Amino acid sequence: GAVVSQHPSWVICKSGTSVKIECRSLDFQATTMFWYRQFPKQSLMLMATSNEGSKATYEQGVEKDKFLINHASLTLSTLTVTSAHPEDSSFYICSARIASGRIFDEQFFGPGTRLTVL
Amino acid sequence: AQSVTQPDIHITVSEGASLELRCNYSYGATPYLFWYVQSPGQGLQLLLKYFSGDTLVQGIKGFEAEFKRSQSSFNLRKPSVHWSDAAEYFCAVGPDSGGYQKVTFGTGTKLQVIP
Repeated sequence: GAVVSQHPSWVICKSGTSVKIECRSLDFQATTMFWYRQFPKQSLMLMATSNEGSKATYEQGVEKDKFLINHASLTLSTLTVTSAHPEDSSFYICSARIASGRIFDEQFFGPGTRLTVL
Repeated sequence: AQSVTQPDIHITVSEGASLELRCNYSYGATPYLFWYVQSPGQGLQLLLKYFSGDTLVQGIKGFEAEFKRSQSSFNLRKPSVHWSDAAEYFCAVGPDSGGYQKVTFGTGTKLQVIP
C-alpha cells in the first residue's frame, strides 16, 4: 500500500517550453502533497506544499509563477515548470501524506521525474 | 530552525561487514525521525521511522536505528551489509517547528559496498 507514482519518469524539452509533471497517490487519499527538487549529489529541497483544494505554499526563493502547482483532487497533484530553462534541469520528486488525522505522518515518495532542458 | 547533519558524505564498506551511518539533528521538541534510501535515479524508500516509544527501531532490509536524545542522534545500523545496499541514505526530521508538515533532510551519505 501507500504507492505514489509520477509521470513522466523523464522528460527532455526545449528552452522556453512548459512541462507538466503528475504525481498520483494510487491507493490512498492524500490531503497534502509535497514537491521537492534534487540537484545531482545533493539532498532534497522542498519547493512547495500542496493541499487539496487550496493554493500551494511555496518555500522561500521558489518562484510560484514559474513552478505552478495544482492539487485538484485527493489523488493528483501537478507541477508545471513554465518557460523552462537549462537551469531548471533537475530531478523532481513528489511525496504524499496520508490523510490519517494525526498531527504528523510520514511521507510516501514517488519515483521522481528527471527533467532536462536543452 | 530544525536541521539534520550527516557527517559522512561517503562511506565504503566490505560486503558482510557491519555498517553505521551517523545522523545528528537539531530540534526544539521531540522529533519525528526517518531514514530513507535512494538508489540511483530513483525516489526515496522509507527504511524506518521513529515517532515515540522504544528508542531502538527496526526497519526493512535488516536495518535498525537508535534514537539517543542525549546525543541528538539517530544512527542507522546494519550488522552485515549486502552489495545491494549500495545507495544514498538520507536522514530526516520533522515536522517543521512552525507546525507544518514539512520534513528536513540531511545531505545524505553515499554507501559503496566492495566485494
